[in-house]
Amino acid sequence: AQTVTQSQPEMSVQEAETVTLSCTYDTSESNYYLFWYKQPPSRQMILVIRQEAYKQQNATENRFSVNFQKAAKSFSLKISDSQLGDTAMYFCAFMNYAGNNRKLIWGLGTSLAVNP
Amino acid sequence: NAGVTQTPKFRILKIGQSMTLQCAQDMNHNYMYWYRQDPGMGLKLIYYSVGAGITDKGEVPNGYNVSRSTTEDFPLRLELAAPSQTSVYFCASRGTDSRGIGYTFGSGTRLTVV
Repeated sequence: AQTVTQSQPEMSVQEAETVTLSCTYDTSESNYYLFWYKQPPSRQMILVIRQEAYKQQNATENRFSVNFQKAAKSFSLKISDSQLGDTAMYFCAFMNYAGNNRKLIWGLGTSLAVNP
Repeated sequence: NAGVTQTPKFRILKIGQSMTLQCAQDMNHNYMYWYRQDPGMGLKLIYYSVGAGITDKGEVPNGYNVSRSTTEDFPLRLELAAPSQTSVYFCASRGTDSRGIGYTFGSGTRLTVV
């Protein structure tokens, strides 16, 4: 069974600085997707970035980028130029490419606080 | 605005009561999901549906039922509510094209069973 591990329950960063959130996963599959979701206090679940496992190039979305290490089964999220609005819970999630349901397997989350 | 609409946003139930959490999407997505999020935890899958008339159990289905009579609606039924069902419930949908790999989530329902 697939598992997702986020080893940092809480992190903090100063505004404008860079922070990296860690995520590791376990799977025997070769084709899959990885996601980072943001959950602010409003509770809304917002997709931050996604990575297809067959792509070697790391995904980037504005200030958000990932370091995808397939052999190490690692998928970290880097937030550059941190903003107060980045304060939220961040969840790493895995989705197997095969199968009909394509359900998401979630980590426990990292609570990120951006300090002024 | 297109998206996933969940109602109600908040609800308090007494032990043994029943209720239905509503979920509707207007994106013509085939796949719909119900997750629960307990405090300090990630999301756990309750039920999912791959299309109208088709539903299946997720990781934590006990105490819940679902139906999918239309593509748009995917209600979650709680029978005989228990304190262990106190949680935040999220409905989500997903399309089948390459851009639909990511989920669209509703804003959640916070349920308290007392």
